[in-house]
Amino acid sequence: QKEVEQDPGPLSVPEGAIVSLNCTYSNSAFQYFMWYRQYSRKGPELLMYTYSSGNKEDGRFTAQVDKSSKYISLFIRDSQPSDSATYLCAMNYGQNFVFGPGTRLSVLP
Amino acid sequence: DVKVTQSSRYLVKRTGEKVFLECVQDMDHENMFWYRQDPGLGLRLIYFSYDVKMKEKGDIPEGYSVSREKKERFSLILESASTNQTSMYLCASRIRDRVSYEQFFGPGTRLTVL
Repeated sequence: QKEVEQDPGPLSVPEGAIVSLNCTYSNSAFQYFMWYRQYSRKGPELLMYTYSSGNKEDGRFTAQVDKSSKYISLFIRDSQPSDSATYLCAMNYGQNFVFGPGTRLSVLP
Repeated sequence: DVKVTQSSRYLVKRTGEKVFLECVQDMDHENMFWYRQDPGLGLRLIYFSYDVKMKEKGDIPEGYSVSREKKERFSLILESASTNQTSMYLCASRIRDRVSYEQFFGPGTRLTVL
């Protein structure tokens, strides 16, 4: 079993849709949970992070962590064509970082 | 504005060549990382460096070596390039802090080995 698994996609949605991106993990030692966004031909950039179970909201984005189920999600409301990118979940404890394989999202105008 | 730069965006090399990929960060970060990114496999850690002249193997170090002579520069070396090393290579840096979670990535180098 991989340490972090992520829905592979690709995912295509119409503009304005609500998008749900998900990851599961197996190591209960993970402390920080992150979502990176990677546009085509660019490096990943941190979008959001959470430290504990619960929800964190930033504009149209909500990150959700359920440590008991070892499950994290990123919700995008009112999705825009500019949200089209690959989304990678990531998690760490100390110096150990693990990234999911990424979900490629296309938001169609 | 933080910045991580990589020496080349695209690189084409022949099997058996020695390849150097350079990464420079201007944030005075102690930690630096080299990843390769392949479809369906995500980011896999090749090597990382805690500080100058320090290095640790990641998950897939075979066929690679690294050099960190200055704090701002971290080089990845493919001793004898092979076709299975065709990939996107990403460099990242991070401040050394036990509660720090964010890595800053460069734009990547897409390497093709023929």
